[in-house]
Amino acid sequence: SQQGEEDPQALSIQEGENATMNCSYKTSINNLQWYRQNSGRGLVHLILIRSNEREKHSGRLRVTLDTSKKSSSLLITASRAADTASYFCATDANTDKLIFGTGTRLQVFP
Amino acid sequence: GAVVSQHPSRVICKSGTSVKIECRSLDFQATTMFWYRQFPKQSLMLMATSNEGSKATYEQGVEKDKFLINHASLTLSTLTVTSAHPEDSSFYICSAMREETQYFGPGTRLLVL
Repeated sequence: SQQGEEDPQALSIQEGENATMNCSYKTSINNLQWYRQNSGRGLVHLILIRSNEREKHSGRLRVTLDTSKKSSSLLITASRAADTASYFCATDANTDKLIFGTGTRLQVFP
Repeated sequence: GAVVSQHPSRVICKSGTSVKIECRSLDFQATTMFWYRQFPKQSLMLMATSNEGSKATYEQGVEKDKFLINHASLTLSTLTVTSAHPEDSSFYICSAMREETQYFGPGTRLLVL
């Protein structure tokens, strides 16, 4: 399977804490994207990082990319209960198609 | 911007019937749309790539005669699940490509009785 791996599979934290999710992939890429999915809903695009970028920020989100290790991380700072969702990384494998990771289920307790 | 809608949001049908799901890009044109399937607590699996004006490209293991895809305009792609069976019950999500990013619809939950 070309699917990427994410860890942890599940993460529970208190409001105000930081949440870090990791993603590993198998092929060379043009870019890597992170998405959020609330239960039973579609995916919301969070951030795109290109293969020549190492770090990117968007509000409380910080994404890093290490192409030598084929890995990425998503950091959510000062988490809120509303951040509770599943988070997926997706890579393009140099095509228009996206290959999704296995996902991390984040639970933020108020 | 970059809003994608899906209709219906949920559908229940009997075995043997066909179900059509629509995916629309509301505020942009998309020559390429994608159809995914998601089982509970699992990731998204790409079923097919829908190209406006040409035949869809199906992923390995996806029956093209079972899952008919039509991309008749730059804002609409449809997925028809033909002769549905209970094992086709799933969450189907479409996305539309805009520049480098795929924007996803809210999904359609299909239950086949």
